[in-house]
Amino acid sequence: DSGVTQTPKHLITATGQRVTLRCSPRSGDLSVYWYQQSLDQGLQFLIQYYNGEERAKGNILERFSAQQFPDLHSELNLSSLELGDSALYFCASSVGQGRDGELFFGEGSRLTVL
Amino acid sequence: AQKVTQAQTEISVVEKEDVTLDCVYETRDTTYYLFWYKQPPSGELVFLIRRNSFDEQNEISGRYSWNFQKSTSSFNFTITASQVVDSAVYFCALSEARNQGGKLIFGQGTELSVKP
Repeated sequence: DSGVTQTPKHLITATGQRVTLRCSPRSGDLSVYWYQQSLDQGLQFLIQYYNGEERAKGNILERFSAQQFPDLHSELNLSSLELGDSALYFCASSVGQGRDGELFFGEGSRLTVL
Repeated sequence: AQKVTQAQTEISVVEKEDVTLDCVYETRDTTYYLFWYKQPPSGELVFLIRRNSFDEQNEISGRYSWNFQKSTSSFNFTITASQVVDSAVYFCALSEARNQGGKLIFGQGTELSVKP
């Protein structure tokens, strides 16, 4: 158990809908990361927050947004969903800003868009 | 450009065989970090090792060992006397120090199947 909690574990929805994925980092970790794992793209970095502020951005679509709250949990919002958004979405956390540290990954939220 | 290549998509071995998973990386940075993660069938990503670019010393942890060679930009992972529980997808990853934050670039993964 990495200590990173993600909810929901599974989510099935329809195209055009909006969903929110939630992540609670390990106790004491200030950074939260979101990654997307799909069959065609592999594991892709989406975005990182450090202590409530956006720290780094990857290939995150404009339809996607994220935030980190004062209690350090994070939410990833996915809107106007398309079939291609079906993927496993991982949250990870680290103590610092992550340049040289290991990331602790949650079990992922599997999103299926029908 | 930053890139991680794991040329072996799938490997199948019989229990107790040794197996090496290859990882080749590309980066322009002189300071970077390399990682291996394991993704068992249950789906979570488990951290195995981190190496920084200034430390080419090989590392051994039980049945696991890692060979880092800057001259060939490779960071290979060997499992000695493989076991069925080693069956998983293994990812090699790169993080560049100049990145604003902890963005990891992952390879495509190598699916290891260890048969009894």
